[in-house]
Amino acid sequence: AQSVAQPEDQVNVAEGNPLTVKCTYSVSGNPYLFWYVQYPNRGLQFLLKYITGDNLVKGSYGFEAEFNKSQTSFHLKKPSALVSDSALYFCAVRLRAGNTPLVFGKGTRLSVIA
Amino acid sequence: DARVTQTPRHKVTEMGQEVTMRCQPILGHNTVFWYRQTMMQGLELLAYFRNRAPLDDSGMPKDRFSAEMPDATLATLKIQPSEPRDSAVYFCASGLRLAGGPGETQYFGPGTRLLVL
Repeated sequence: AQSVAQPEDQVNVAEGNPLTVKCTYSVSGNPYLFWYVQYPNRGLQFLLKYITGDNLVKGSYGFEAEFNKSQTSFHLKKPSALVSDSALYFCAVRLRAGNTPLVFGKGTRLSVIA
Repeated sequence: DARVTQTPRHKVTEMGQEVTMRCQPILGHNTVFWYRQTMMQGLELLAYFRNRAPLDDSGMPKDRFSAEMPDATLATLKIQPSEPRDSAVYFCASGLRLAGGPGETQYFGPGTRLLVL
């Protein structure tokens, strides 16, 4: 079985401050990990993914995420938040082996305050 | 800029009516997913296809929902009869899964917002 947890329903951060959106996962094997963002009335947009190699993954719009195998985490980060980053963020996981689809977390709403 | 397209974008219907939602995946993608998003349940996977064959539809209520891919450029999701509890945003996503590869990145359409009265 595979699952992903986003422990915070809401994250508030001041513009210009660093932001972190947390994600932990549970899989019985090696994972592929993804972050997606959803703006109001829009579909999910791919931000970044971890497949293999460097644990620090850089993605769109200045976001990055660090894969930590020992802590089974894949937190999303950005050094300096923008008001336009305010959106719903989804972490997703899939086993490397087999045909299983992505399993999404419940989402974290990020609010960046000017 | 290749995108997944979905029609209609909005649909209001009455309970008992048939609803058909359509999705055009990105050209060349071989995997298509249908999701439903609600405030209460979040994002739920309903069904997905690879090379037009259904791989898993265990997330769908079988008695009223059906999903098909008549051809590689069209996926459909039908609800018959519709019920108020089906009100949600329905997303289609597509991706390219290569044999031996790391698996597809999913690209989402804009969604169909369904309201069943």
